[in-house]
Amino acid sequence: DTGVSQDPRHKITKRGQNVTFRCDPISEHNRLYWYRQTLGQGPEFLTYFQNEAQLEKSRLLSDRFSAERPKGSFSTLEIQRTEQGDSAMYLCASSLGTSGGPKEREQFFGPGTRLTVL
Amino acid sequence: AQSVTQLDSHVSVSEGTPVLLRCNYSSSYSPSLFWYVQHPNKGLQLLLKYTSAATLVKGINGFEAEFKKSETSFHLTKPSAHMSDAAEYFCVLSGNTGKLIFGQGTTLQVKP
Repeated sequence: DTGVSQDPRHKITKRGQNVTFRCDPISEHNRLYWYRQTLGQGPEFLTYFQNEAQLEKSRLLSDRFSAERPKGSFSTLEIQRTEQGDSAMYLCASSLGTSGGPKEREQFFGPGTRLTVL
Repeated sequence: AQSVTQLDSHVSVSEGTPVLLRCNYSSSYSPSLFWYVQHPNKGLQLLLKYTSAATLVKGINGFEAEFKKSETSFHLTKPSAHMSDAAEYFCVLSGNTGKLIFGQGTTLQVKP
């Protein structure tokens, strides 16, 4: 257990429905990252927050995806109008970082939320 | 552009024999490199990291990796494989904002 929790662990939904995932990072960590991992592939970066500010979004994050981190604590990732191609493991990670500081700080990963879109 | 290439998608070794998982990287910055392991139905765990200090990096569970700038490589080794080492291994590069860039992964199979 890394201290990063994600909820739910599994989600099955029908195409066209909206889903929301939650990530609770390690409490003192100011950076929070979302990644997506499809079967047989390595995780791909989606977006990241420093405190409550969303600082970078991948081109993978279409306008159906939105992420928030109110108050710089937990984060939510919402997918609207889900498609079968959204089926994947969604991973959250947190780290302690500073602007202009070292980029090699370890990211601690949660167990992931496995999404299946029927 | 930054990228990571894992040269083998699948490696099979016998228990007690050496392990070599190969990784090449491309980066316009001085890279920070990691190896993560993912056991079935478990989260990603950091094995080791290179952060521009010693080029030979020791990690957990007897794993090591050597950073070779001239070859743009960061191969993972272990002298003697255990059955418990069977898992998916990812070579990872840290981008300039701290986001991680993963290779496609290498599945390590350990035969008794």
